[in-house]
Amino acid sequence: QSALTQPASVSGSPGQSITISCTGTSSDVGGYSYVSWYQQHPGKAPKLMIYDVSNRPSGVSNRFSGSKSGNTASLTISGLQAEDEADYYCSSYTSNSLYVFGTGTKVTVL
Amino acid sequence: EVQLLESGGGLVQPGGSLRLSCAASGFTFNNYAMTWVRQAPGKGLEWVSTITGSGDYTYFADSVKGRFTISRDNSKNTLYLQMNSLRAEDTAVYYCAKEKGYYLTSAFDIWGQGTMVTVSS
Repeated sequence: QSALTQPASVSGSPGQSITISCTGTSSDVGGYSYVSWYQQHPGKAPKLMIYDVSNRPSGVSNRFSGSKSGNTASLTISGLQAEDEADYYCSSYTSNSLYVFGTGTKVTVL
Repeated sequence: EVQLLESGGGLVQPGGSLRLSCAASGFTFNNYAMTWVRQAPGKGLEWVSTITGSGDYTYFADSVKGRFTISRDNSKNTLYLQMNSLRAEDTAVYYCAKEKGYYLTSAFDIWGQGTMVTVSS
């Protein structure tokens, strides 16, 4: 099972919006509504930001939103803030094994 | 407080074995599937293995299939990962994580702090 494809890096200025893509296949992202997104700061455990494509867990800022079209899921961060600088990973249920993570995206706040 | 606490990591020689533990607290452990995720130094997250709440079903990544075993003791609220025939490429921080809901959806809402496994001679 190959990792889902994410851009290596995305950057934006404070207050701007950025979008991170997560591309898979019809066996994972495109076939199920089970895409999640995680934020990971250096040396810390990942934190769930979005689940089931577009749902936010309690306590996660509404500046974070998720969507999906075909085999590509997206995470949008609006009103970018310095604290959003971190690595972001998507994950998906897959018919091939069970789960697969994305390659990861480093978000830089300029 | 909902919490996961891993232990058992360390330095092991190639071909050796190690058992990781993950102690859970603050939630009804046997209601939720549990997962191990690893992260090699400077690399991304990799799903390793999942076990359902009852322990009846287990799933493994191809990279560890046949070498790793996942199990749980619901009476002790503890998750395990038995790792055999370890290779250098198994070197990573190993996290245990709780499934958010009752179904297998790749949504892990609670993570442990991680335990480092180093495979080296």
